[in-house]
Amino acid sequence: GAVVSQHPSRVICKSGTSVKIECRSLDFQATTMFWYRQFPKQSLMLMATSNEGSKATYEQGVEKDKFLINHASLTLSTLTVTSAHPEDSSFYICSARDWYNQPQHFGDGTRLSIL
Amino acid sequence: GESVGLHLPTLSVQEGDNSIINCAYSNSASDYFIWYKQESGKGPQFIIDIRSNMDKRQGQRVTVLLNKTVKHLSLQIAATQPGDSAVYFCAENMGGGGADGLTFGKGTHLIIQP
Repeated sequence: GAVVSQHPSRVICKSGTSVKIECRSLDFQATTMFWYRQFPKQSLMLMATSNEGSKATYEQGVEKDKFLINHASLTLSTLTVTSAHPEDSSFYICSARDWYNQPQHFGDGTRLSIL
Repeated sequence: GESVGLHLPTLSVQEGDNSIINCAYSNSASDYFIWYKQESGKGPQFIIDIRSNMDKRQGQRVTVLLNKTVKHLSLQIAATQPGDSAVYFCAENMGGGGADGLTFGKGTHLIIQP
């Protein structure tokens, strides 16, 4: 149980393009999902907390207008990287938990490459 | 700022031997700790967790030890196998078990040699 699916797994696009990444909880409902970013050979850094039916909470230094988060249902959160530039190239990973006091389960990430 | 960190970036272990991965945390308010395994190109995979009211927890071939006095966390993997080769992260959280996002350590690359 507690499977999190991310789509797409890889995106390559031109600078200036907006890219949407989906995160789905397949076998449970997730009122809260989390978005992380990971650069090569580095650790995961929390970007934002996505709450179903309300605005996302962003970590310090993360531009909310750059990284749009929508959590429209209990099984889906989306992250849109708007007007992406090469410095936005990274590995974006989402996570979700199925119950309070349970560990977060992660998707397999989206490799974003901006040319 | 306060963060979770690791002592060793790379650990090489002979197949069949036991391995120990260490993690130091600085936030004394942290009350929930998790170990994740990340293989290349994939997301972190949950291994084991422990709450601050415990000092040891065991799973299948894995044991997590928590020393709150020195703010130290360790992951022991018994009888290592080739499939154990991966990057291991400790993560910490305040608030009782995942209500907020996790703070990750820097990661240790575990290499299992045949």
